Amino acid sequence: EAQVTQNPRYLITVTGKKLTVTCSQNMNHEYMSWYRQDPGLGLRQIYYSMNVEVTDKGDVPEGYKVSRKEKRNFPLILESPSPNQTSLYFCASSLLGRGGQFFGPGTRLTVL
Amino acid sequence: ELKVEQNPLFLSMQEGKNYTIYCNYSTTSDRLYWYRQDPGKSLESLFVLLSNGAVKQEGRLMASLDTKARLSTLHITAAVHDLSATYFCAVDNNNDMRFGAGTRLTVKP
Repeated sequence: EAQVTQNPRYLITVTGKKLTVTCSQNMNHEYMSWYRQDPGLGLRQIYYSMNVEVTDKGDVPEGYKVSRKEKRNFPLILESPSPNQTSLYFCASSLLGRGGQFFGPGTRLTVL
Repeated sequence: ELKVEQNPLFLSMQEGKNYTIYCNYSTTSDRLYWYRQDPGKSLESLFVLLSNGAVKQEGRLMASLDTKARLSTLHITAAVHDLSATYFCAVDNNNDMRFGAGTRLTVKP
């Protein structure tokens, strides 16, 4: 089954404690991206990647890091989370420039 | 900076009625996407519009793109309750995706 998986689905953590949210897709897509969704703001892109070892900043990259060492995986790293990073995070993938994105199930993060 | 504006943000419709959601954007792009999100769920791709004048239809939904006007529309025909959801447009700015704030659609009997 074609899918994008994210882990964990729910996470409560404290300010400053480094965390990683994993994202994996099984469709051999070149393009992967991370978004955060906040009420009234729609989705805002954090980082995106057009292929292995190629990453670019989106609209709101501050406080986040990503890596793309393998085509299927695109982890999101919060080195020192802060309460304003409390949000719903989605990972997505697609064929480069040619299709709507497949979204993962989301990760709800709370930073206390 | 690319801005994407959707309107209305909230839409309450009667079953059987027609309505249009608008998506305006501020810079040149010929790739636009529409997504649906049900409450508590992830996003699902509805339409991919890749050129000026593109029109796509699926069931009671029809999407169009006018790149010269920087406008896309999502038209709902004879709404049914199952269409209740939040609809997002997204503009592709050289792979930097910008989403509208979403239109929360409620279809009432």
